[in-house]
Amino acid sequence: SQELEQSPQSLIVQEGKNLTINCTSSKTLYGLYWYKQKYGEGLIFLMMLQKGGEEKSHEKITAKLDEKKQQSSLHITASQPSHAGIYLCGADYYSGNTPLVFGKGTRLSVIA
Amino acid sequence: EAQVTQNPRYLITVTGKKLTVTCSQNMNHEYMSWYRQDPGLGLRQIYYSMNVEVTDKGDVPEGYKVSRKEKRNFPLILESPSPNQTSLYFCASTGRAEAFFGQGTRLTVV
Repeated sequence: SQELEQSPQSLIVQEGKNLTINCTSSKTLYGLYWYKQKYGEGLIFLMMLQKGGEEKSHEKITAKLDEKKQQSSLHITASQPSHAGIYLCGADYYSGNTPLVFGKGTRLSVIA
Repeated sequence: EAQVTQNPRYLITVTGKKLTVTCSQNMNHEYMSWYRQDPGLGLRQIYYSMNVEVTDKGDVPEGYKVSRKEKRNFPLILESPSPNQTSLYFCASTGRAEAFFGQGTRLTVV
């Protein structure tokens, strides 16, 4: 079974609306990475969370890691067309000594 | 500037013709890895390397080889490519609290 589940699989929002993407792990995380990908292109690093309860923000994107370190959410405020793409969460279970395990991604479309 | 450089970006080849996709990082990371990305399957690990001359299989290693002769380079080798290896490939370089990806190599095997 998938260790890392992302939801929703896809999301269509109107420009200016807020949205949340969730990432749930079946086991405790050492760290959780968020990336954005334009279709067929490389992964752009957004942020990395390591401590339970940690929250980080970059421009209009905020990511949180729950206290148990098994769930993270990515929140976009006042979405814009530039936010469209695929959002991927990647789990580090062993302090950086193994490859990241990825969720299947959330495809976000922002319509005018 | 932190960089992971993959080459080529696009490649069309024929079944059975050996090819190498190169990956280089400038961050002095010990840890590097290869993924393939396929629709509906997400990113899957092919091989990873924890340091020079130390490599290990990921989830989908069949049909691939890697080498890590020096810290900055981690090439992916397909000795006899087959159509089911048509995919988008990513190299990653990982340090403490950071993991960067290359721009991807779109490989088509006909």
